[in-house]
Amino acid sequence: QKEVEQNSGPLSVPEGAIASLNCTYSDRGSQSFFWYRQYSGKSPELIMSIYSNGDKEDGRFTAQLNKASQYVSLLIRDSQPSDSATYLCAVNMRGQAGTALIFGKGTTLSVSS
Amino acid sequence: GAGVSQSPRYKVAKRGQDVALRCDPISGHVSLFWYQQALGQGPEFLTYFQNEAQLDKSGLPSDRFFAERPEGSVSTLKIQRTQQEDSAVYLCASSTPTGGNIQYFGAGTRLSVL
Repeated sequence: QKEVEQNSGPLSVPEGAIASLNCTYSDRGSQSFFWYRQYSGKSPELIMSIYSNGDKEDGRFTAQLNKASQYVSLLIRDSQPSDSATYLCAVNMRGQAGTALIFGKGTTLSVSS
Repeated sequence: GAGVSQSPRYKVAKRGQDVALRCDPISGHVSLFWYQQALGQGPEFLTYFQNEAQLDKSGLPSDRFFAERPEGSVSTLKIQRTQQEDSAVYLCASSTPTGGNIQYFGAGTRLSVL
């Protein structure tokens, strides 16, 4: 069974703090990794994609990938109330076009002002 | 179009009715996916098309679920004899091979079976 695991939360942080979201996956052959943000009642919106070990930064967001530990994380710096949402970790097992994404259940983030 | 378009946004069906959900992918995207998202869960894969060919339908939960994409663009997900357990949000996503396998999602159709 190929699985993606996330802590469901809620994760509560004050405005301006760093939010750290974690995800582990079971298939060592996984190639592509994504973080989606989903507001209540809305569709998933891509935040970050990462394909190789290390860090990838985009604005206030940093994705970190460690394939040896089968671990991917998302850091949100200077958290804002508008960041309050559910964050979905998604893994593409073969890294090929047309391969389904396997999603975790999502971590709910709450940023208080 | 600019994004993935799904219709209807909301559908209420009586148990036993047939429903059809429509997805219009991003123009030029050859890959199209359907996912089912239950309340409080992540999306779960249902089926995948490359152009008009349905290459993977391993996630369809029963033979009551059927999907088609006859001209390689718009896709329809059909659920026959709906059951209460079919109540969920049905998401459509599209991607292009040159785009890092990034899937872009539509707004979804929320199906409620009474």
